[in-house]
Amino acid sequence: NAGVMQNPRHLVRRRGQEARLRCSPMKGHSHVYWYRQLPEEGLKFMVYLQKENIIDESGMPKERFSAEFPKEGPSILRIQQVVRGDSAAYFCASSPGNRQETQYFGPGTRLLVL
Amino acid sequence: AQSVTQLDSQVPVFEEAPVELRCNYSSSVSVYLFWYVQYPNQGLQLLLKYLSGSTLVKGINGFEAEFNKSQTSFHLRKPSVHISDTAEYFCAVSDYGSGNTGKLIFGQGTTLQVKP
Repeated sequence: NAGVMQNPRHLVRRRGQEARLRCSPMKGHSHVYWYRQLPEEGLKFMVYLQKENIIDESGMPKERFSAEFPKEGPSILRIQQVVRGDSAAYFCASSPGNRQETQYFGPGTRLLVL
Repeated sequence: AQSVTQLDSQVPVFEEAPVELRCNYSSSVSVYLFWYVQYPNQGLQLLLKYLSGSTLVKGINGFEAEFNKSQTSFHLRKPSVHISDTAEYFCAVSDYGSGNTGKLIFGQGTTLQVKP
């Protein structure tokens, strides 16, 4: 059973460009969480999605950031008009859905904004 | 609001010595508690979790943690560390009140440095 997959693993963008980060959850998992890890900091929750629904986006910046989890395909975290402060590691985690279930983390996408 | 405090940013220890990584949390509701480990340039791997029942929880790689409700702590321990335990360790909480979405609140992390 393949684990959570994220791509790309590394992404370099110039200020003002768009970044698209993809997350494929583990087989059988329909719940996806996105977290951001800024340098020298812990992980911060961004958004929680189920298939075709955003359940909790309380951690998402109000502007430039969006997320989706379509019926088919991976979950996408999209950052428009990136700024240097967006440079971070972005982790996706998936779970089967029960709130007690473990969240399984992907390897992360490391975004560098020049 | 929930919060997690990991009291030590770095813990240096010699190989085969015991170690304790401290974690305190604050929450107005009952919580689930987790410890994750992160090796360089990798994602997080679950070490152990407390949901209910026995307050002493055993995890992978010889780690264990004890939930202390009165002190709101969930310290991680290992009786004898190995060089391969060198990594970043994160404590996290998730509340299970109604409306909870299962999101994890993480501490700042503790870097465990095992020296030969």
